[in-house]
Amino acid sequence: DAMVIQNPRYQVTQFGKPVTLSCSQTLNHNVMYWYQQKSSQAPKLLFHYYDKDFNNEADTPDNFQSRRPNTSFCFLDIRSPGLGDAAMYLCATSRDLADTQYFGPGTRLTVL
Amino acid sequence: RKEVEQDPGPFNVPEGATVAFNCTYSNSASQSFFWYRQDCRKEPKLLMSVYSSGNEDGRFTAQLNRASQYISLLIRDSKLSDSATYLCGGFLNTGFQKLVFGTGTRLLVSP
Repeated sequence: DAMVIQNPRYQVTQFGKPVTLSCSQTLNHNVMYWYQQKSSQAPKLLFHYYDKDFNNEADTPDNFQSRRPNTSFCFLDIRSPGLGDAAMYLCATSRDLADTQYFGPGTRLTVL
Repeated sequence: RKEVEQDPGPFNVPEGATVAFNCTYSNSASQSFFWYRQDCRKEPKLLMSVYSSGNEDGRFTAQLNRASQYISLLIRDSKLSDSATYLCGGFLNTGFQKLVFGTGTRLLVSP
């Protein structure tokens, strides 16, 4: 039973064309996270929501935005994707801050 | 210095071997740590949490050494299916408890 679901699994977009990635969870966790992971690199936290409170990492580019309309769903919007934004985007959830995080299967983004 | 550092490997071992990875962390105030397993082009999956007393789960043993600021993962009787990248992560006490990962250690188990 999937607990953290991401759609689509693969996304191809053109340079500068906005794209939205989706994450949903059935765990009823308070916290949802978005990470970016490039090949052979560590997952890098972009931002997280604690309930409705949005927390941006200081080094996350303005090009990346997020929405959490309800407990179950969280979206990652990339307003103008560049070639350097090609990566795996991972959604994770945790019951509370500093709790174990569970990852979704990721969305692999290709920018042409 | 990176907050969490791992030897990227790869570690090439034969089936049945015992292999150990270390992960060092820079923030002495870090409280809890995790080992995740990540298969190629897949998401990280929690392998073990690592607390002060360490823990063991079947062939896997995780230890925390606070004095030297490292955690370790020991895999006994390696299986072909253990081939993967092993990520360590630790919570940093930076106001918000941020989970910071190392770049991962790649393990290749051969027949």
